Amino acid sequence: EAGVVQSPRYKIIEKKQPVAFWCNPISGHNTLYWYLQNLGQGPELLIRYENEEAVDDSQLPKDRFSAERLKGVDSTLKIQPAELGDSAVYLCASSSTGGYSYNEQFFGPGTRLTVL
Amino acid sequence: QKEVEQDPGPLSVPEGAIVSLNCTYSNSAFQYFMWYRQYSRKGPELLMYTYSSGNKEDGRFTAQVDKSSKYISLFIRDSQPSDSATYLCAMRSGGYNKLIFGAGTRLAVHP
Repeated sequence: EAGVVQSPRYKIIEKKQPVAFWCNPISGHNTLYWYLQNLGQGPELLIRYENEEAVDDSQLPKDRFSAERLKGVDSTLKIQPAELGDSAVYLCASSSTGGYSYNEQFFGPGTRLTVL
Repeated sequence: QKEVEQDPGPLSVPEGAIVSLNCTYSNSAFQYFMWYRQYSRKGPELLMYTYSSGNKEDGRFTAQVDKSSKYISLFIRDSQPSDSATYLCAMRSGGYNKLIFGAGTRLAVHP
């Protein structure tokens, strides 16, 4: 079974440039998460989707971040414009929906973003 | 103060040692307690989870939860160099609620 796929794995951009990250979850997983992981820290949730619907986006900085999950499968996270403080690893995860399923989230390898 | 506190280490032990990793938390509503392992340049992967208080064993790994002290532990017996990774505790309350992760403890097991 294929795991969560993310691309690109690494991205280097200059500040004020836009950037986009793509995620393909595990087949059949209706719940998709985007996390931010700073160096030496644990992941922090940015947004959670149940199918196409964003049901928890309270931690997403909406002035510069946006996300979409068209057709309830792949998802894209965008930053525009990027700031120096956005340098971090962006993790995508997926899980089945409901109950104990939320405990077992399957993570992709992440996209390491460097903003110069 | 963070909701979940975890000593970042690093923790260095010889192969075969028993390792103890710990987290403390402040939110008494947490009911589910997870341990994730993260290798360098990889995403976290779930090792095990526990509901409420008590112990859970899976092979060389044992998770303990003491809700009265708001303290959770992960024990690794007969540690191997392949156990070298960052161990993240995570927890959430009932229903759906987002996972709150600790900062992770870096473990190095040397031959």
